[in-house]
Amino acid sequence: AQKITQTQPGMFVQEKEAVTLDCTYDTSDPSYGLFWYKQPSSGEMIFLIYQGSYDQQNATEGRYSLNFQKARKSANLVISASQLGDSAMYFCAMREADNTGNQFYFGTGTSLTVIP
Amino acid sequence: ETGVTQSPTHLIKTRGQQVTLRCSSQSGHNTVSWYQQALGQGPQFIFQYYREEENGRGNFPPRFSGLQFPNYSSELNVNALELDDSALYLCASSYARTGNNEQFFGPGTRLTVL
Repeated sequence: AQKITQTQPGMFVQEKEAVTLDCTYDTSDPSYGLFWYKQPSSGEMIFLIYQGSYDQQNATEGRYSLNFQKARKSANLVISASQLGDSAMYFCAMREADNTGNQFYFGTGTSLTVIP
Repeated sequence: ETGVTQSPTHLIKTRGQQVTLRCSSQSGHNTVSWYQQALGQGPQFIFQYYREEENGRGNFPPRFSGLQFPNYSSELNVNALELDDSALYLCASSYARTGNNEQFFGPGTRLTVL
């Protein structure tokens, strides 16, 4: 089974509208972390938001919020008031631990295009 | 505060050669992770180093090896290069061993194997 699944290869959103990028995950580790990263066409990977498995509240960072539904193993990213600069690839990722230490898994990404 | 730096920016090698990629972690960070990102795909975790010890390894063969130095900078070595090793190699640093803190990524090294 895939550790991280992003089912939306491409998404379009009108400028100033909100958009939700989907992410589901699979783990049996009770202590894990979920991340979202943005990768513009220039290639750098930019951290957006983090959610720990024991966090009771959904994480928020400015215009980014993470809709964490633990029972569904879902960690969707919500971007409010989209801006043209939000056009990029978005990756969902998970950290879990095994007997070697940490493991990190990234999804295949969602390409977001913001339309003026 | 100095960010994560990687060298070289680009590299061209031929099959069978060996390559060393370098990463300087952000000031104050003691953990470095390496990733391989093939074109059009998400990053694949290679391994993580914490205080000079390997602290997690992804599904990569032993010809991928690494080091972390006392100043927390790191090297990724790849022996016996194969065509499929062509990719963007990303280094990320963080403060805590758990990696629960945000990872700061470097700009990457683009490796082409001919």
